[in-house]
Amino acid sequence: ETGVTQTPRHLVMGMTNKKSLKCEQHLGHNAMYWYKQSAKKPLELMFVYSLEERVENNSVPSRFSPECPNSSHLFLHLHTLQPEDSALYLCASSQVAGSSYNEQFFGPGTRLTVL
Amino acid sequence: RKEVEQDPGPFNVPEGATVAFNCTYSNSASQSFFWYRQDCRKEPKLLMSVYSSGNEDGRFTAQLNRASQYISLLIRDSKLSDSATYLCVVRENDYKLSFGAGTTVTVRA
Repeated sequence: ETGVTQTPRHLVMGMTNKKSLKCEQHLGHNAMYWYKQSAKKPLELMFVYSLEERVENNSVPSRFSPECPNSSHLFLHLHTLQPEDSALYLCASSQVAGSSYNEQFFGPGTRLTVL
Repeated sequence: RKEVEQDPGPFNVPEGATVAFNCTYSNSASQSFFWYRQDCRKEPKLLMSVYSSGNEDGRFTAQLNRASQYISLLIRDSKLSDSATYLCVVRENDYKLSFGAGTTVTVRA
Protein backbone atom coordinates (compact mmCIF):
# COMPACT_ATOMS: atom_id res chain seq x y z
CA GLU A 1 0.00 0.00 0.00
CA THR A 2 1.10 3.54 -0.54
CA GLY A 3 0.41 6.83 1.18
CA VAL A 4 -1.31 7.05 4.53
CA THR A 5 -3.81 4.40 5.60
CA GLN A 6 -6.22 4.45 8.52
CA THR A 7 -8.29 1.73 10.17
CA PRO A 8 -11.09 1.36 10.83
CA ARG A 9 -12.76 3.66 8.32
CA HIS A 10 -15.95 3.78 10.36
CA LEU A 11 -16.45 3.20 14.08
CA VAL A 12 -19.53 3.33 16.26
CA MET A 13 -18.94 3.06 19.98
CA GLY A 14 -20.74 3.56 23.24
CA MET A 15 -19.53 6.01 25.85
CA THR A 16 -18.15 3.23 28.05
CA ASN A 17 -16.20 1.46 25.30
CA LYS A 18 -12.46 1.49 24.70
CA LYS A 19 -11.27 1.46 21.12
CA SER A 20 -8.17 2.41 19.15
CA LEU A 21 -7.66 4.11 15.81
CA LYS A 22 -4.67 3.08 13.74
CA CYS A 23 -2.67 5.04 11.20
CA GLU A 24 0.18 3.79 9.06
CA GLN A 25 2.26 5.80 6.62
CA HIS A 26 4.24 4.26 3.77
CA LEU A 27 6.00 7.46 2.69
CA GLY A 28 9.13 7.25 4.81
CA HIS A 29 8.11 10.35 6.76
CA ASN A 30 9.28 11.11 10.28
CA ALA A 31 6.41 13.23 11.62
CA MET A 32 2.80 12.18 12.18
CA TYR A 33 -0.32 14.06 13.25
CA TRP A 34 -3.84 13.50 14.53
CA TYR A 35 -6.55 15.96 13.53
CA LYS A 36 -10.25 16.15 14.40
CA GLN A 37 -12.73 17.43 11.82
CA SER A 38 -16.25 18.14 13.02
CA ALA A 39 -19.06 19.09 10.65
CA LYS A 40 -18.73 22.63 9.27
CA LYS A 41 -15.69 23.29 11.49
CA PRO A 42 -12.00 23.63 10.64
CA LEU A 43 -9.59 20.78 11.17
CA GLU A 44 -8.28 20.89 14.72
CA LEU A 45 -4.75 19.69 15.43
CA MET A 46 -4.76 17.22 18.32
CA PHE A 47 -1.29 15.69 18.51
CA VAL A 48 2.02 15.91 16.71
CA TYR A 49 4.84 13.40 16.85
CA SER A 50 8.19 14.24 15.36
CA LEU A 51 10.88 11.55 15.32
CA GLU A 52 8.55 9.50 17.54
CA GLU A 53 8.46 12.15 20.26
CA ARG A 54 5.34 14.10 21.06
CA VAL A 55 5.91 17.78 20.31
CA GLU A 56 2.37 19.10 20.55
CA ASN A 57 -0.62 18.24 22.67
CA ASN A 58 -3.23 20.79 21.82
CA SER A 59 -5.16 20.76 25.11
CA VAL A 60 -6.87 17.55 24.16
CA PRO A 61 -8.96 15.79 26.84
CA SER A 62 -7.28 12.83 28.47
CA ARG A 63 -9.93 10.46 27.10
CA PHE A 64 -7.83 10.64 23.91
CA SER A 65 -4.42 8.99 24.29
CA PRO A 66 -1.93 8.87 21.41
CA GLU A 67 0.82 6.34 20.90
CA CYS A 68 3.63 6.41 18.36
CA PRO A 69 5.63 3.17 18.58
CA ASN A 70 7.73 3.97 15.49
CA SER A 71 7.91 6.49 12.69
CA SER A 72 5.44 4.56 10.51
CA HIS A 73 2.64 3.93 12.98
CA LEU A 74 0.40 6.14 15.05
CA PHE A 75 -2.48 5.14 17.30
CA LEU A 76 -5.23 7.07 19.02
CA HIS A 77 -6.64 5.22 22.03
CA LEU A 78 -10.17 6.20 22.96
CA HIS A 79 -11.99 5.64 26.25
CA THR A 80 -15.14 7.01 27.89
CA LEU A 81 -15.86 9.32 24.98
CA GLN A 82 -18.73 11.78 24.78
CA PRO A 83 -21.26 12.20 21.95
CA GLU A 84 -19.61 15.52 21.03
CA ASP A 85 -16.45 13.56 20.19
CA SER A 86 -18.23 12.20 17.11
CA ALA A 87 -16.22 13.47 14.15
CA LEU A 88 -13.85 12.52 11.36
CA TYR A 89 -10.39 11.76 12.76
CA LEU A 90 -7.65 12.33 10.24
CA CYS A 91 -4.07 11.18 10.42
CA ALA A 92 -1.34 12.93 8.46
CA SER A 93 2.39 12.56 7.96
CA SER A 94 5.18 14.76 6.70
CA GLN A 95 8.93 14.84 6.38
CA VAL A 96 10.87 16.96 8.84
CA ALA A 97 14.32 18.23 7.89
CA GLY A 98 15.91 20.32 10.61
CA SER A 99 13.17 22.75 11.61
CA SER A 100 11.43 22.53 8.24
CA TYR A 101 8.13 20.61 8.18
CA ASN A 102 7.12 19.86 4.63
CA GLU A 103 3.75 19.09 3.02
CA GLN A 104 1.37 17.01 5.10
CA PHE A 105 -0.26 14.00 3.47
CA PHE A 106 -3.56 12.89 4.95
CA GLY A 107 -5.11 9.49 5.41
CA PRO A 108 -8.77 8.86 4.48
CA GLY A 109 -9.90 9.29 8.06
CA THR A 110 -11.94 7.33 10.57
CA ARG A 111 -15.53 8.46 10.93
CA LEU A 112 -16.35 8.03 14.60
CA THR A 113 -19.83 8.04 16.07
CA VAL A 114 -20.24 7.98 19.85
CA LEU A 115 -23.65 6.90 21.06
CA ARG B 1 -11.29 35.23 16.89
CA LYS B 2 -10.76 32.44 14.37
CA GLU B 3 -7.20 31.99 13.16
CA VAL B 4 -8.30 31.48 9.56
CA GLU B 5 -11.66 32.67 8.24
CA GLN B 6 -13.29 31.78 4.97
CA ASP B 7 -16.60 32.49 3.29
CA PRO B 8 -18.28 29.08 3.47
CA GLY B 9 -20.18 29.66 0.21
CA PRO B 10 -21.49 27.73 -1.56
CA PHE B 11 -20.34 29.24 -4.81
CA ASN B 12 -22.51 27.74 -7.56
CA VAL B 13 -21.04 28.43 -10.98
CA PRO B 14 -21.61 27.11 -14.52
CA GLU B 15 -18.93 25.20 -16.35
CA GLY B 16 -16.41 27.52 -17.95
CA ALA B 17 -16.99 30.33 -15.47
CA THR B 18 -14.37 32.00 -13.29
CA VAL B 19 -14.79 31.82 -9.53
CA ALA B 20 -12.69 33.52 -6.89
CA PHE B 21 -12.75 33.60 -3.12
CA ASN B 22 -10.58 34.79 -0.23
CA CYS B 23 -9.59 33.91 3.25
CA THR B 24 -8.16 36.05 6.04
CA TYR B 25 -5.74 35.05 8.76
CA SER B 26 -5.13 36.60 12.16
CA ASN B 27 -1.49 35.79 12.91
CA SER B 28 0.79 38.29 11.19
CA ALA B 29 3.77 36.06 11.98
CA SER B 30 2.39 33.17 9.92
CA GLN B 31 5.13 31.60 7.89
CA SER B 32 3.58 30.10 4.78
CA PHE B 33 0.25 29.58 3.11
CA PHE B 34 -1.54 26.90 1.15
CA TRP B 35 -4.78 25.92 -0.50
CA TYR B 36 -5.97 22.36 0.11
CA ARG B 37 -8.85 20.69 -1.64
CA GLN B 38 -11.25 18.34 0.13
CA ASP B 39 -13.81 16.32 -1.80
CA CYS B 40 -16.97 15.15 -0.09
CA ARG B 41 -16.16 12.54 2.57
CA LYS B 42 -12.52 12.41 1.50
CA GLU B 43 -9.27 13.63 3.02
CA PRO B 44 -7.72 17.04 2.30
CA LYS B 45 -5.09 17.17 -0.42
CA LEU B 46 -2.63 19.94 -1.18
CA LEU B 47 -3.76 21.98 -4.18
CA MET B 48 -1.01 24.58 -4.21
CA SER B 49 1.28 26.66 -2.07
CA VAL B 50 0.79 30.43 -2.07
CA TYR B 51 3.79 32.69 -2.62
CA SER B 52 4.12 36.41 -1.98
CA SER B 53 4.58 37.11 -5.66
CA GLY B 54 1.45 35.19 -6.59
CA ASN B 55 1.54 31.94 -8.47
CA GLU B 56 -0.37 29.95 -11.06
CA ASP B 57 -0.88 26.27 -11.53
CA GLY B 58 -2.84 25.69 -14.70
CA ARG B 59 -6.30 27.17 -14.23
CA PHE B 60 -5.64 28.03 -10.59
CA THR B 61 -4.14 31.32 -9.43
CA ALA B 62 -3.26 32.07 -5.82
CA GLN B 63 -2.41 35.47 -4.36
CA LEU B 64 -1.10 36.52 -0.96
CA ASN B 65 -1.46 39.97 0.57
CA ARG B 66 0.60 40.03 3.76
CA ALA B 67 -0.24 43.65 4.57
CA SER B 68 -3.95 42.92 4.64
CA GLN B 69 -3.49 39.32 5.77
CA TYR B 70 -5.58 37.68 3.12
CA ILE B 71 -5.11 34.93 0.57
CA SER B 72 -7.13 34.40 -2.58
CA LEU B 73 -7.78 31.58 -5.01
CA LEU B 74 -9.10 32.04 -8.52
CA ILE B 75 -10.27 29.20 -10.71
CA ARG B 76 -10.60 29.88 -14.44
CA ASP B 77 -12.61 27.86 -16.94
CA SER B 78 -14.28 25.84 -14.18
CA LYS B 79 -14.73 22.11 -14.70
CA LEU B 80 -17.28 19.83 -13.09
CA SER B 81 -14.37 18.11 -11.37
CA ASP B 82 -13.48 21.37 -9.58
CA SER B 83 -16.53 20.89 -7.34
CA ALA B 84 -15.07 20.52 -3.85
CA THR B 85 -14.39 22.34 -0.61
CA TYR B 86 -11.28 24.50 -0.72
CA LEU B 87 -9.42 24.87 2.57
CA CYS B 88 -7.25 27.88 3.29
CA VAL B 89 -4.27 26.75 5.37
CA VAL B 90 -1.70 28.82 7.24
CA ARG B 91 1.51 27.54 8.78
CA GLU B 92 1.78 29.04 12.27
CA ASN B 93 5.10 27.52 13.29
CA ASP B 94 7.36 24.61 12.44
CA TYR B 95 4.71 21.93 12.78
CA LYS B 96 1.33 23.62 13.25
CA LEU B 97 -1.05 24.26 10.37
CA SER B 98 -4.24 26.26 10.97
CA PHE B 99 -7.13 25.42 8.68
CA GLY B 100 -10.11 27.45 7.61
CA ALA B 101 -13.50 25.76 7.65
CA GLY B 102 -13.52 25.74 3.85
CA THR B 103 -15.28 27.32 0.88
CA THR B 104 -17.60 25.06 -1.05
CA VAL B 105 -17.61 25.35 -4.83
CA THR B 106 -20.17 23.59 -7.00
CA VAL B 107 -19.72 23.66 -10.76
CA ARG B 108 -22.86 22.80 -12.72
CA ALA B 109 -23.17 21.61 -16.29
